[in-house]
Amino acid sequence: GNSVTQMEGPVTLSEEAFLTINCTYTATGYPSLFWYVQYPGEGLQLLLKATKADDKGSNKGFEATYRKETTSFHLEKGSVQVSDSAVYFCALSDPQGGSEKLVFGKGTKLTVNP
Amino acid sequence: DAGITQSPRHKVTETGTPVTLRCHQTENHRYMYWYRQDPGHGLRLIHYSYGVKDTDKGEVSDGYSVSRSKTEDFLLTLESATSSQTSVYFCAISTGQGRQPQHFGDGTRLSIL
Repeated sequence: GNSVTQMEGPVTLSEEAFLTINCTYTATGYPSLFWYVQYPGEGLQLLLKATKADDKGSNKGFEATYRKETTSFHLEKGSVQVSDSAVYFCALSDPQGGSEKLVFGKGTKLTVNP
Repeated sequence: DAGITQSPRHKVTETGTPVTLRCHQTENHRYMYWYRQDPGHGLRLIHYSYGVKDTDKGEVSDGYSVSRSKTEDFLLTLESATSSQTSVYFCAISTGQGRQPQHFGDGTRLSIL
């Protein structure tokens, strides 16, 4: 079946460090890929998405590129801030079940220290 | 703010009791979703709705039912709560292109004793 595997956290960085959170997927067909962010005490928010191979999603300084050859969608940011501390979830849409049915990774907690 | 309100925000109840969670949106978005979030599992879809009286099951729908009699309200009911349904429940809506959820409510923390 379809699945998403994220690097296990927690990840702790200093402010202005470079961030990479790895995400790989298994899917039949051609899913769309997403990153969501959950700030403490809040619900998730869609951060960025990519709908086809080689697409790059970007938002708030975060980027991720849909790599079909490596089935990956790694999240990157060049210089993190304390306000980026949150839990990040990678997800894919089931290409057969319809885009309503997202499959989520287990989440990676990021802490950025000043 | 996507205008999603979940109620109650916290609830503690006993095994075997019925529980209803409410999700209210202030805009007329068509797609609404209920997820549960558990440690080690990420988020899992319970049910979703694509219009008034139009609902479908997600991957963990057993033990749950939903209703959507108005566009703005999507109710999740546990007919007879069990301890395995202790979780944080999130409602979500789709606000733009694509049917995937873009915005989530702040969650309901439900404890079944």
